Amino acid sequence: GNSVTQMEGPVTLSEEAFLTINCTYTATGYPSLFWYVQYPGEGLQLLLKATKADDKGSNKGFEATYRKETTSFHLEKGSVQVSDSAVYFCALRAYSGAGSYQLTFGKGTKLSVIP
Amino acid sequence: DSGVTQTPKHLITATGQRVTLRCSPRSGDLSVYWYQQSLDQGLQFLIQYYNGEERAKGNILERFSAQQFPDLHSELNLSSLELGDSALYFCASSARDYNYEQYFGPGTRLTVT
Repeated sequence: GNSVTQMEGPVTLSEEAFLTINCTYTATGYPSLFWYVQYPGEGLQLLLKATKADDKGSNKGFEATYRKETTSFHLEKGSVQVSDSAVYFCALRAYSGAGSYQLTFGKGTKLSVIP
Repeated sequence: DSGVTQTPKHLITATGQRVTLRCSPRSGDLSVYWYQQSLDQGLQFLIQYYNGEERAKGNILERFSAQQFPDLHSELNLSSLELGDSALYFCASSARDYNYEQYFGPGTRLTVT
């Protein structure tokens, strides 16, 4: 079946530090890959996505590249801010039959950025 | 604001009880998904409806059921509640049932005491 593995948290960084959150996946076929962010007390928001190999998704200074050869989709940001403190989820979307595409999530990585 | 609304925001109930969670999808979206987020299991897909019909099932317990009404809102019914059912329940919607982006609601936090 499909699965997503992302690095365990929590991750604590100082403001302006470089961020990497590792994500690898297992899937049949050609999944689309996503990073979602969940701020405290809120629902999930789509941060960025990539739909095919070598695509780079980017948004708000975050970026991730779909690497088919290493089945990875690592999230990076060059300089984090306190406002980036949240839980980050890596996810894949793959066909699950009967015309349905399902999202499979990693367990989430909590990021805390301190001033 | 994703455009997906969920009520209630919080729910506290006792073991053995039954509750109903409600979700209104974004305007025009035909597909609704339900997810459970708990500390030990993470975020898990429960069930999907498309235009009133069940389309896919995930890790949904037999004590749980859902439906989607003609106006496209959806309800998730949880019965014979156990302590372990305490979790955040999210609803998401997408335009169609294939390969469209899902937009998540703010969630309903269920506490079973």
